[in-house]
Amino acid sequence: QQQVKQSPQSLIVQKGGISIINCAYENTAFDYFPWYQQFPGKGPALLIAIRPDVSEKKEGRFTISFNKSAKQFSLHIMDSQPGDSATYFCAAIESGYALNFGKGTSLLVTP
Amino acid sequence: DAGVIQSPRHEVTEMGQEVTLRCKPISGHNSLFWYRQTMMRGLELLIYFNNNVPIDDSGMPEDRFSAKMPNASFSTLKIQPSEPRDSAVYFCASSWFSGGTGDTQYFGPGTRLTVL
Repeated sequence: QQQVKQSPQSLIVQKGGISIINCAYENTAFDYFPWYQQFPGKGPALLIAIRPDVSEKKEGRFTISFNKSAKQFSLHIMDSQPGDSATYFCAAIESGYALNFGKGTSLLVTP
Repeated sequence: DAGVIQSPRHEVTEMGQEVTLRCKPISGHNSLFWYRQTMMRGLELLIYFNNNVPIDDSGMPEDRFSAKMPNASFSTLKIQPSEPRDSAVYFCASSWFSGGTGDTQYFGPGTRLTVL
């Protein structure tokens, strides 16, 4: 069964806008939450990640917000650009290696 | 560094044929993963090797699938016999597993398999 639920499935944002992708999980043993970015024809690549003892992590225009009590985390892309158009996957790890992926969000940033 | 290398990039075969996918991990990495990506099921872990030893193969769908890692520089995923439902993109990823959580997995470009 899908251990990490991701929404929305697709998202269209205007250039300069904020893109928000949400994920939820049930397994409280998860201890690492990475986000991956995938362009067409390429493999996923690590974008940003957070541990559950931190509520927010920011790297450039990308921010992860983490709510441990609600078992939810989200990716915010500020000032979205057409080059950000890709599929984004949230994931969660237990025991150090097994990535449990969400189903992905296809983001389109329009000029 | 060339990154994770996979071959072939595309494979079209007929049902019943044997398919072999190949992966060369990043030099120095000690962990290797095979994933399968489909529209219906998303990205699924098939098998995980650490120091060339299979650690977790619980994601391998059935006996038709097998994976080997004869050395630190090479791994194969074999499907015999192949079926149309095996059509997917297969990714290989590698990482340096330090024993903790959060080691970055680096993905290859994938092999798009189509079984007719």
